[in-house]
Amino acid sequence: KAGVTQTPRYLIKTRGQQVTLSCSPISGHRSVSWYQQTPGQGLQFLFEYFSETQRNKGNFPGRFSGRQFSNSRSEMNVSTLELGDSALYLCASSLETSGTSTDTQYFGPGTRLTVL
Amino acid sequence: DAKTTQPNSMESNEEEPVHLPCNHSTISGTDYIHWYRQLPSQGPEYVIHGLTSNVNNRMASLAIAEDRKSSTLILHRATLRDAAVYYCILRWAGANNLFFGTGTRLTVIP
Repeated sequence: KAGVTQTPRYLIKTRGQQVTLSCSPISGHRSVSWYQQTPGQGLQFLFEYFSETQRNKGNFPGRFSGRQFSNSRSEMNVSTLELGDSALYLCASSLETSGTSTDTQYFGPGTRLTVL
Repeated sequence: DAKTTQPNSMESNEEEPVHLPCNHSTISGTDYIHWYRQLPSQGPEYVIHGLTSNVNNRMASLAIAEDRKSSTLILHRATLRDAAVYYCILRWAGANNLFFGTGTRLTVIP
């Protein structure tokens, strides 16, 4: 089975722009979570989607949003980019057959976003 | 979410066992103990998890204290490929999001 894929792998934007990142989960996985990783704050949970609905949300401003499609693919969007949004954005998928569980999360390689 | 405390860094010689400690004194009865690791330039990967009993898999062993306030991840024979940041995470059974701490950076010395 193919792993979690994220596109693009690298991205450079300028302040004030917006960006959309894409995540394709492992086939059959229904839950997709997004994380931000920075040297200062470490790995932080952004949000989780299950069956096209946002199920959990971390403590990030409303500039960060996401969505999930019927095929479980997910996108996250960051509007009005700030310098501090420069980070590695990681997507993780899990099976979630029952809706809530402690299924293993499988991470993609991440998208490295640089904001200039 | 309950917090975990791990040493910032540890070193091990190649082919020797490694014991990575984690303290989680505020753990609740429904919290699972999960370990993930992040190799350089990669996303985190699952290592092992447990609730009360010790657990073994092909990657590692997890030893959980009787009072569950601490646990130890055991790599039986460290290889260079095991050099990574290891995260100990408490995960409530009803939640599918992971709250990472600062982790332990493991250096394996050839």
